[in-house]
Amino acid sequence: QVQLVQSGSELKKPGASVKVSCKTSGYPFTTYTMNWVRQAPGQGLEWMGWINTKTGKPTYAQGFTGRLVISLDTSVNTAYLQLSSLQADDTAVYYCARGGGSWSNFDSWGQGTLVTVSS
Amino acid sequence: QSVLTQPPSASGTPGQRVTISCSGSASNIGSNSVNWYQQLPGTAPKLLIYSNNQRPSGVPDRFSGSKSGTSASLAISGPQSEDEADYYCAAWDDSLNGVVFGGGTKLTVL
Repeated sequence: QVQLVQSGSELKKPGASVKVSCKTSGYPFTTYTMNWVRQAPGQGLEWMGWINTKTGKPTYAQGFTGRLVISLDTSVNTAYLQLSSLQADDTAVYYCARGGGSWSNFDSWGQGTLVTVSS
Repeated sequence: QSVLTQPPSASGTPGQRVTISCSGSASNIGSNSVNWYQQLPGTAPKLLIYSNNQRPSGVPDRFSGSKSGTSASLAISGPQSEDEADYYCAAWDDSLNGVVFGGGTKLTVL
């Protein structure tokens, strides 16, 4: 079955960077896009960007350009999110989500990775 | 401030039909399909409705979706206690060139 398994929780200081992994199994990795969505405590969902798993080309949401990098390692069917210059308001659960048939159709999700930014 | 507008809360009894609205604009709902997600407490979101009105395998048929113009709706016919969750609508936005979500609606089953 389709599985997206993310790396564990992270505690970072302001100004630092974080890299979160999303290891997939159960389907051909390069057949579906991969998206990243975050959720601040008690808040709604925020789309961060996506990556074309065939070409490796990422696209970022406005507001993250310059400090967000989405990448792949197709040899291990894994996607990565790296966010730099972290601030307290980056504290959130970060989810990877497989892209389905349309742009906002995310048909499988990782379990989420809590990133806490605190001094 | 979310691009798509949802009511913060909704409630109903198992004998009622509950509707959750999602209002957008021409650049998102007006020109792209809408998807709905269910997020149970402490868990990752789950795709509930895709392409405006399609249910993935395993989603009970008491859940249905519709779209008209720049608005969409999620209906739950006879909500069950296990349906208590947050519900989010989502669509691609041609102006922002990205996915936008609604702010979420918390469903309470009375």
